[in-house]
Amino acid sequence: DAGVIQSPRHEVTEMGQEVTLRCKPISGHNSLFWYRQTMMRGLELLIYFNNNVPIDDSGMPEDRFSAKMPNASFSTLKIQPSEPRDSAVYFCASSFKSGYTFGSGTRLTVV
Amino acid sequence: SQQGEEDPQALSIQEGENATMNCSYKTSINNLQWYRQNSGRGLVHLILIRSNEREKHSGRLRVTLDTSKKSSSLLITASRAADTASYFCATASAGGTSYGKLTFGQGTILTVHP
Repeated sequence: DAGVIQSPRHEVTEMGQEVTLRCKPISGHNSLFWYRQTMMRGLELLIYFNNNVPIDDSGMPEDRFSAKMPNASFSTLKIQPSEPRDSAVYFCASSFKSGYTFGSGTRLTVV
Repeated sequence: SQQGEEDPQALSIQEGENATMNCSYKTSINNLQWYRQNSGRGLVHLILIRSNEREKHSGRLRVTLDTSKKSSSLLITASRAADTASYFCATASAGGTSYGKLTFGQGTILTVHP
């Protein structure tokens, strides 16, 4: 198994632009999580899905953030419009009952 | 707010020494997990201990859990330079339908000098 696959690895965009982050979870894992990591705030849970259904999106900072999981093998996190304070590393993780498997993350820089 | 709080925030030791990191949490848990993160990489799952377990071993790792004190410790024995990383504890809350949702602490930065 190739693990959790995230793309792109790095994204540099201008303020106001739309950004889409992508994640392919491990086959058979029924829970998917989106986290954001910064030095100031550490790891923050943004949203998570179970069986493709969003369960808790209370961590999504603003309406500018949205996430979808159209099927068991794909999820997106979209920021529109992006702002400099959105700069962070965004991780996707998947699990089945217990331990998470994390992707390598997307380092987002908004200038 | 973070459920788990690691202590110390940073730890610097020599190769061969043991490293102990502690984690405290606030609410009842189903299980507690430890993860490692190398610089610029994703987190890697190390070990899971359930609320009804008190101690668990995996290779050079030893984890203890004291639910009465709401605390856990991770011991890495005979440390190596390759163990240099950030270590996070994460808790899965008891009850409800959290579907495995984890809350992570701020992490301990471990540096092992050759």
